[in-house]
Amino acid sequence: QPVLTQSSSVSASLGSSVKLTCTLSSGHSTYIIAWHQQQPGKAPRYLMNLGARGSYNKGSGVPDRFSGSSSGADRYLTISNLQSEDEADYYCETWDSNTRVFGGGTKLTVL
Amino acid sequence: QVQLQESGPGLVKPSETLSLTCTVSGGSITSYYWSWIRQPPGKGLEWIGHIYYSGSTNCNPSLKSRVTISVDTSKNQFSLKLSSVTAADTAVYYCARDHPIVGATWVYYYMDVWGKGTTVTVSS
Repeated sequence: QPVLTQSSSVSASLGSSVKLTCTLSSGHSTYIIAWHQQQPGKAPRYLMNLGARGSYNKGSGVPDRFSGSSSGADRYLTISNLQSEDEADYYCETWDSNTRVFGGGTKLTVL
Repeated sequence: QVQLQESGPGLVKPSETLSLTCTVSGGSITSYYWSWIRQPPGKGLEWIGHIYYSGSTNCNPSLKSRVTISVDTSKNQFSLKLSSVTAADTAVYYCARDHPIVGATWVYYYMDVWGKGTTVTVSS
């Protein structure tokens, strides 16, 4: 079963860009993952699914500022032109052998 | 568009069974898997399990012995029962839709629609 590793926290300035990382464990570098955003006090929201070659499909209404990319076992979520409403927890998840695994989440602080 | 709404008791006594229902509106429950996920206070997300509209289920191995997931297609609802609860089961419980990506020899599921969540506290 894969393990997803995320940094616990990241901070970036308003208007800048930030790249969040989700790393798949050894032997699972080809897996698709999905990114979800959870703003404070709210339910998670699906952002995109992201494949090993960097192709991604965003959910309805997700701003163009959000994009995905991949390199080896790493899956990235890049947020450009950071806004205050981007301050949130970001989770990656994947699916394998009839079970779902989540990363521990990254708390993004917008300065 | 599809919307999900969780419902059920907000307080459950230790050793009893937690029961929640998710109502699907704006679309049919058929042709998809539907998931339950929970989030303890201040912690991350934990997948509980999911059910296909036909009744086929998969569950988190760590919870499998206590989890029952069922579906009622006539009501466009699916439900969760978690038995023998303890304080560790206190969490916000979410339901979500699983969207498939189908390959030649594999299927991948990701959650593309979430409910707003319902808080369940286990306490006497």
